[in-house]
Amino acid sequence: AQSVTQPDIHITVSEGASLELRCNYSYGATPYLFWYVQSPGQGLQLLLKYFSGDTLVQGIKGFEAEFKRSQSSFNLRKPSVHWSDAAEYFCAVGAGGTALIFGKGTTLSVSS
Amino acid sequence: KAGVTQTPRYLIKTRGQQVTLSCSPISGHRSVSWYQQTPGQGLQFLFEYFSETQRNKGNFPGRFSGRQFSNSRSEMNVSTLELGDSALYLCASSPGQGSFNEQFFGPGTRLTVL
Repeated sequence: AQSVTQPDIHITVSEGASLELRCNYSYGATPYLFWYVQSPGQGLQLLLKYFSGDTLVQGIKGFEAEFKRSQSSFNLRKPSVHWSDAAEYFCAVGAGGTALIFGKGTTLSVSS
Repeated sequence: KAGVTQTPRYLIKTRGQQVTLSCSPISGHRSVSWYQQTPGQGLQFLFEYFSETQRNKGNFPGRFSGRQFSNSRSEMNVSTLELGDSALYLCASSPGQGSFNEQFFGPGTRLTVL
């Protein structure tokens, strides 16, 4: 069965420091992979997606993610974190139709 | 273009009651999906509607049902509410079926069951 694991429940990063959020997936075929962000009281916003092709994907707000098939990973990165990036981040895999299977999320705190 | 709207934003019900949540997708979008978000289980897929037909269903009991109208608006119904149904219910719309279509999420309806 498809699944998504985000090993880090909570991460704190200093403003201006780099960020990497981990995501591992389990899926039999070539996955459709996504990263979403959720701010308090808000819905989810798509940061980036991977379907095929170049394994390094660029997204909005300066985020990027790298698909590594050998490691079943799709880690999210940002070179310099801003205080406004504090939010909850969800990795997801497409599970047929428009259904998405989400990880449990990683809460990002940004310290000054 | 207006985003996905969900009504009501907050709802308080008691056990045994039923509730109906509404979702208006982005204009032109024909696919609507529903998700339940709880602290314990995270985000879980409920069901997907496309052209007024349920195309996909998650692992939820029959108390959870939905429908989609000809204008693509969707409603979700939960009957015989249980305490565990307290959650944020998110609706997402996309232009078509298939995971490659970007889904746009609404702000959610916060349901509290007492």
